[in-house]
Amino acid sequence: NAGVTQTPKFQVLKTGQSMTLQCAQDMNHNSMYWYRQDPGMGLRLIYYSASEGTTDKGEVPNGYNVSRLNKREFSLRLESAAPSQTSVYFCASSSGPGTEQYFGPGTRLTVT
Amino acid sequence: GQQLNQSPQSMFIQEGEDVSMNCTSSSIFNTWLWYKQDPGEGPVLLIALYKAGELTSNGRLTAQFGITRKDSFLNISASIPSDVGIYFCAGPSSSGGSYIPTFGRGTSLIVHP
Repeated sequence: NAGVTQTPKFQVLKTGQSMTLQCAQDMNHNSMYWYRQDPGMGLRLIYYSASEGTTDKGEVPNGYNVSRLNKREFSLRLESAAPSQTSVYFCASSSGPGTEQYFGPGTRLTVT
Repeated sequence: GQQLNQSPQSMFIQEGEDVSMNCTSSSIFNTWLWYKQDPGEGPVLLIALYKAGELTSNGRLTAQFGITRKDSFLNISASIPSDVGIYFCAGPSSSGGSYIPTFGRGTSLIVHP
């Protein structure tokens, strides 16, 4: 089992460019999450999907959109990247809301 | 949103020392989770606690679910260099009839050989 996979691992964007971060899990989990991690700020929830077909905003959703493509895949889109979105992005999955989460390896994004 | 206050923010210790860190919340949590993040990796679950007063061990790690359900503690005994990393507490906070995960800001641990 690969667990949670994320692509790409690294990305550099110019301000205003768009991109989609991909996430997939092979654990048959119902819930999936996107976080950003900045120094000293811990993990902040951007969006989550409690189950296939639903998505909800987290703590810091502005500037992002998500798509729960199917039970396995949950993508995060930046429509017009800004330097403030420079961060490390983690995808996670869990069997349900409030249960242990399994994290991917992260995507390191720099916006210049 | 719900805040988890985690302390200390960082710790610099000698190999062999014991470590204690804690997490507090202004509201009740039904589950407390402790994760460790190695440099350059995603967090990995260490211990999960589901019942007030519960004390659970995982090797040299021991965690407790506070009686008030508003706090949790993690202890590491006889630290070793590979304990280096960031430790996060987390729990599901109630939001509009659902539960969303909330993380503390982390305790960064450095162990000097």
